[in-house]
Amino acid sequence: EIVLTQSPGTLSLSPGERATLSCRASQSVSSSYLAWYQQKPGQAPRLLIYGASSRATGIPDRFSGSGSGTDFTLTISRLEPEDFAVYYCQQYGSSPLVTFGPGTKVDIK
Amino acid sequence: QITLKESGPTLVKPTQTLTLTCTFSGFSLSTSGVGVGWIRQPPGKALEWLALIYWNDDKRYSPSLKSRLTITKDTSKNQVVLTMTNMDPVDTATYYCAHRSDRLLHFDYWGQGTLVTVSS
Repeated sequence: EIVLTQSPGTLSLSPGERATLSCRASQSVSSSYLAWYQQKPGQAPRLLIYGASSRATGIPDRFSGSGSGTDFTLTISRLEPEDFAVYYCQQYGSSPLVTFGPGTKVDIK
Repeated sequence: QITLKESGPTLVKPTQTLTLTCTFSGFSLSTSGVGVGWIRQPPGKALEWLALIYWNDDKRYSPSLKSRLTITKDTSKNQVVLTMTNMDPVDTATYYCAHRSDRLLHFDYWGQGTLVTVSS
């Protein structure tokens, strides 16, 4: 059974700073099947990145994804006030079919 | 424009069966590759995938909850129904349905979610 681990649990940064979020899988994940979501309080998750590195429709280019195999990264190049949220990675295809990571909270320092 | 909306009871008693309906528009669950999934989130906790039904009626479940879940679709009504038996207070959560894209392979549109509380 595949398990996703995200680090750090909380990232305290200031607007304008760079955020680097990590997602590690217990087994290799096809890059095609790794996604990142953003969730703000009281809202449903929003798809940011699919296929490990492709931005979903309407996602600003300050968000980028990279990685392969078991190690994936979400980078926010310069944090905007609206970027403070919780971020989840998710894999599709391995057993279980869908797995979410525990999330990384990006909060204001 | 794709939209999804969850409906169902907000309060259920322990041991009861929960039935949630996802009513969607803007896509057809007959389109090859498309799916609708259910994901839940206990208050203050992470997302947990529950079930997924595909356009061809293939159904997949979370292994840890498989014995309690049933997912079905009514293509003519644009609805997907999830039933969960033997509800327990630990099942208290916001339940989301989401569109699984045939192209992006992930959940690209989500409903607003519905909070279900399990309490006697």
